Amino acid sequence: AQKVTQAQTEISVVEKEDVTLDCVYETRDTTYYLFWYKQPPSGELVFLIRRNSFDEQNEISGRYSWNFQKSTSSFNFTITASQVVDSAVYFCALSEAGGGADGLTFGKGTHLIIQP
Amino acid sequence: GAVVSQHPSWVICKSGTSVKIECRSLDFQATTMFWYRQFPKQSLMLMATSNEGSKATYEQGVEKDKFLINHASLTLSTLTVTSAHPEDSSFYICSAWDTHTGELFFGEGSRLTVL
Repeated sequence: AQKVTQAQTEISVVEKEDVTLDCVYETRDTTYYLFWYKQPPSGELVFLIRRNSFDEQNEISGRYSWNFQKSTSSFNFTITASQVVDSAVYFCALSEAGGGADGLTFGKGTHLIIQP
Repeated sequence: GAVVSQHPSWVICKSGTSVKIECRSLDFQATTMFWYRQFPKQSLMLMATSNEGSKATYEQGVEKDKFLINHASLTLSTLTVTSAHPEDSSFYICSAWDTHTGELFFGEGSRLTVL
């Protein structure tokens, strides 16, 4: 069975600090996909990234970066120079087939609070 | 980009009534859609997989007679919460799979409050 663990329930940092959100996953499949979503207070899910299991290259998009380590089954997310607008709940998710074609298993989420 | 729309965004109903939530893919055909439920301050839990033209597949513990899913067209799936009770109050989110692009898109969510 697949499982996603986000051990950090809540993180609070001061604006401009860097922050890393951890994600550890479990799956029996060799082919799988990992996702990160942002959920602001309004509730809608904002897609951030999808990464397949064969691509271990780190990804950088502006202030966001992701570190995929198959050896430790982790897919961590770092926000550099955090801003108040980054405050939200962030979910890591896993799909074992087709990049999401069989639905996603979500972690419990990390509530990120950026204080001005 | 592709958009998935849910309606209504929020609904308040009395206990014992039924409520229908629609999920539409606006610019692509979705043979597969998914329904999730999210209780306050909790994660999203997959309730069921909706397949166009066939019966939905429900996750363990989800009552199929209470949460009726209909996927009658390639752009519309509906979730009907029958005989709703206060414990059904939750945020319901759908997602749709675009087979052409291999992408998954989420709706904006529907907040149900049962009094």
